[in-house]
Amino acid sequence: DAGVTQSPTHLIKTRGQQVTLRCSPKSGHDTVSWYQQALGQGPQFIFQYYEEEERQRGNFPDRFSGHQFPNYSSELNVNALLLGDSALYLCASSISTGGYTFGSGTRLTVV
Amino acid sequence: AQKITQTQPGMFVQEKEAVTLDCTYDTSDPSYGLFWYKQPSSGEMIFLIYQGSYDQQNATEGRYSLNFQKARKSANLVISASQLGDSAMYFCAMRGAFSSNTGKLIFGQGTTLQVKP
Repeated sequence: DAGVTQSPTHLIKTRGQQVTLRCSPKSGHDTVSWYQQALGQGPQFIFQYYEEEERQRGNFPDRFSGHQFPNYSSELNVNALLLGDSALYLCASSISTGGYTFGSGTRLTVV
Repeated sequence: AQKITQTQPGMFVQEKEAVTLDCTYDTSDPSYGLFWYKQPSSGEMIFLIYQGSYDQQNATEGRYSLNFQKARKSANLVISASQLGDSAMYFCAMRGAFSSNTGKLIFGQGTTLQVKP
């Protein structure tokens, strides 16, 4: 049974560019959350998607947006990249009975 | 505001010995959940153990146990019989005030554990 799959694993972008990160949830999970983890820090919650709608959002600017598809997979989009957006982006899937499964993340470097 | 505090940036333990990783939390929510995750260098967050705020007994999962002291708002992780493969970053996390079981997680800063042979 595949867990959470994230793509790409690594990415290098230039300041001002836009990036899209992808996440396929664990089979049977219907909720996807995204986290940003700066080097040496704990993950910070970005937002959560359920039934193709943003259900909850953390303290991140509107440059961060997302989408959830009918098959529960999700995308995270970041516009106008800043150097400070360099981080590991983690996707976690879950279901109403509880428990979270994390992917291995996408490591984004902004130069 | 809800907050998780991990005051040990780094810890060393000898192989086969036990180690305790500290975690304190702050919340005004009467119902909450506490988690511990392991993050190896690969980046994936690996679930270790969960404690519900109304659970009467401390949670245990194999070599992992959670020392839950509700009055002190602490949820320390105890790893018994440390193994070399336990070397990783460890995070304490709390489910936020959102009532759903899938609510957001609030993480601490993490503790790096190194197991010495």
